[in-house]
Amino acid sequence: SQQGEEDPQALSIQEGENATMNCSYKTSINNLQWYRQNSGRGLVHLILIRSNEREKHSGRLRVTLDTSKKSSSLLITASRAADTASYFCATDAGGNKLVFGAGTILRVKS
Amino acid sequence: EAGVAQSPRYKIIEKRQSVAFWCNPISGHATLYWYQQILGQGPKLLIQFQNNGVVDDSQLPKDRFSAERLKGVDSTLKIQPAKLEDSAVYLCASSLVAGVEAFFGQGTRLTVV
Repeated sequence: SQQGEEDPQALSIQEGENATMNCSYKTSINNLQWYRQNSGRGLVHLILIRSNEREKHSGRLRVTLDTSKKSSSLLITASRAADTASYFCATDAGGNKLVFGAGTILRVKS
Repeated sequence: EAGVAQSPRYKIIEKRQSVAFWCNPISGHATLYWYQQILGQGPKLLIQFQNNGVVDDSQLPKDRFSAERLKGVDSTLKIQPAKLEDSAVYLCASSLVAGVEAFFGQGTRLTVV
């Protein structure tokens, strides 16, 4: 079964706008990660946030984590056409696994 | 640094036939994962190895799927016999430490007809 569930399932925005995706998970975690998947580069790790962190930044990416609500969000600022991809959250499910959610499809229109 | 290598990239077989996929992880990575990704869905963990030992295979259909990781390096995933619903992309990934950043191969797209 999937650990994380992303919301929305699909998102379409204009270039330059911000994109926000949410992830909810079921079990306790040690960390939560976000990955991007497109046809050209396959599945690529974006960022990892640990359970004792509340917010983390990497370039145009901002991730928040609320362990009390078992949820995380990924914000992509000033989106570009190249950001068009599927985005997945993944957790370690409290152990040493790597379990993915269903993903959000992001389309950035130029 | 070389990435995770998988072969073949594409495979078409008839149902009830057998097929094998190969994965060569990044050198030094102790953890290796096999995922099945059906079109439109997220990757589903099939099996996880730590060196050459199985950590988790709870979602591996053991009546038809098998996997091994000899000498804690390369790994093979086999399906025998294949069913139509096995059509998917099979992804291999590796990580230095279990449960953190994983590096993925390009995957093998399997079509069962």
